[in-house]
Amino acid sequence: AQSVTQLDSHVSVSEGTPVLLRCNYSSSYSPSLFWYVQHPNKGLQLLLKYTSAATLVKGINGFEAEFKKSETSFHLTKPSAHMSDAAEYFCVVSQNTGNQFYFGTGTSLTVIP
Amino acid sequence: EAGVAQSPRYKIIEKRQSVAFWCNPISGHATLYWYQQILGQGPKLLIQFQNNGVVDDSQLPKDRFSAERLKGVDSTLKIQPAKLEDSAVYLCASSGWAQGADSGNTIYFGEGSWLTVV
Repeated sequence: AQSVTQLDSHVSVSEGTPVLLRCNYSSSYSPSLFWYVQHPNKGLQLLLKYTSAATLVKGINGFEAEFKKSETSFHLTKPSAHMSDAAEYFCVVSQNTGNQFYFGTGTSLTVIP
Repeated sequence: EAGVAQSPRYKIIEKRQSVAFWCNPISGHATLYWYQQILGQGPKLLIQFQNNGVVDDSQLPKDRFSAERLKGVDSTLKIQPAKLEDSAVYLCASSGWAQGADSGNTIYFGEGSWLTVV
């Protein structure tokens, strides 16, 4: 069975400070892990993905995530938040050889000017 | 590469009326998904197609929702009759396998179809 837990439903940071969005996963198989961002009134956009290559994954807009198998975590980070980062973020897990995707409940990121 | 296309983007209907949403997936993607996203919640899978066959429709309210993907490409999601609680964004997505360094299966989403039932 596969599942994802996003540990924070809401995160607030000041502009220019680091961002940390936490995600833990459960998977019986070698997982693929993804982060998606959803801006208001928009669809979900792929930020980055891990598919068993390098454990530190770099994505768009300065985001990155590190796959830690021992901690079953895939936390999303960014060194310096920008106002445009305010959005909903979803962590997603999939079996590395499958086509079923399991979503976390989302983390709402607020960036304070 | 063109993304997942959806239409209409916005629709307002009265309860008990019907509505249909259309989706064109990324070219070559065999798997197509319809998700329902209620405001403030994560996406909920309604139905998953593999080519023109249904893989999972366990959360589709079959008394009022139907979906088809006749030729294994485009798909239509229909709601009839609509209820107030059907007000949501309907997200279509498709997934495909990449090769090489960027290998693996990845799901891509359309912009969504926003339904308001009044």
